[in-house]
Amino acid sequence: KAGVTQTPRYLIKTRGQQVTLSCSPISGHRSVSWYQQTPGQGLQFLFEYFSETQRNKGNFPGRFSGRQFSNSRSEMNVSTLELGDSALYLCASSLRGQGTYEQYFGPGTRLTVT
Amino acid sequence: GENVEQHPSTLSVQEGDSAVIKCTYSDSASNYFPWYKQELGKGPQLIIDIRSNVGEKKDQRIAVTLNKTAKHFSLHITETQPEDSAVYFCAASSVPSSNTGKLIFGQGTTLQVKP
Repeated sequence: KAGVTQTPRYLIKTRGQQVTLSCSPISGHRSVSWYQQTPGQGLQFLFEYFSETQRNKGNFPGRFSGRQFSNSRSEMNVSTLELGDSALYLCASSLRGQGTYEQYFGPGTRLTVT
Repeated sequence: GENVEQHPSTLSVQEGDSAVIKCTYSDSASNYFPWYKQELGKGPQLIIDIRSNVGEKKDQRIAVTLNKTAKHFSLHITETQPEDSAVYFCAASSVPSSNTGKLIFGQGTTLQVKP
């Protein structure tokens, strides 16, 4: 079974621009969560989507948004990029249901803001 | 608020020795505790997890223990090998019956296994 895929793997953007990252979960998984990883702050939860609805949200400004499509694929968008948004953005997929707890991560998208 | 403290931040062991990484969580509602291994250039890989109704779980050379009263959980790796070298993260989550919940991560431990 294929794992979680994320595109693109690397991205360089300029301050003020916006960016869209994509995540395809493991086949059959209906939940996608997004995390930001930086050397200073570590791994931080951004948001979780299930059945095309945001179910949970972390402490990030409104510039960070996301959505999920009917095939469970998810995108996250960052508008008005700041230097501090440079990070590895990870998505994790999960079955989401009674008794299912495990989250499986993709390889991440490395975003550099200059 | 929710917080997970992880120690040590770096750990160096000789091949064949054991390694122990410890985490403490603050949210008493936490009931799921996964451990992830992250190698350079890759995403975190789930290596073992434990739920709050279990005190210990083993999978070959790795084991995890949980002390709910003290809000501590630990990862034990025995007979370490050079390929165990990576960054290890602990995490905690409070999972309602039908929700995966967000993961709160520790700061990570860089494990180096010397041949």
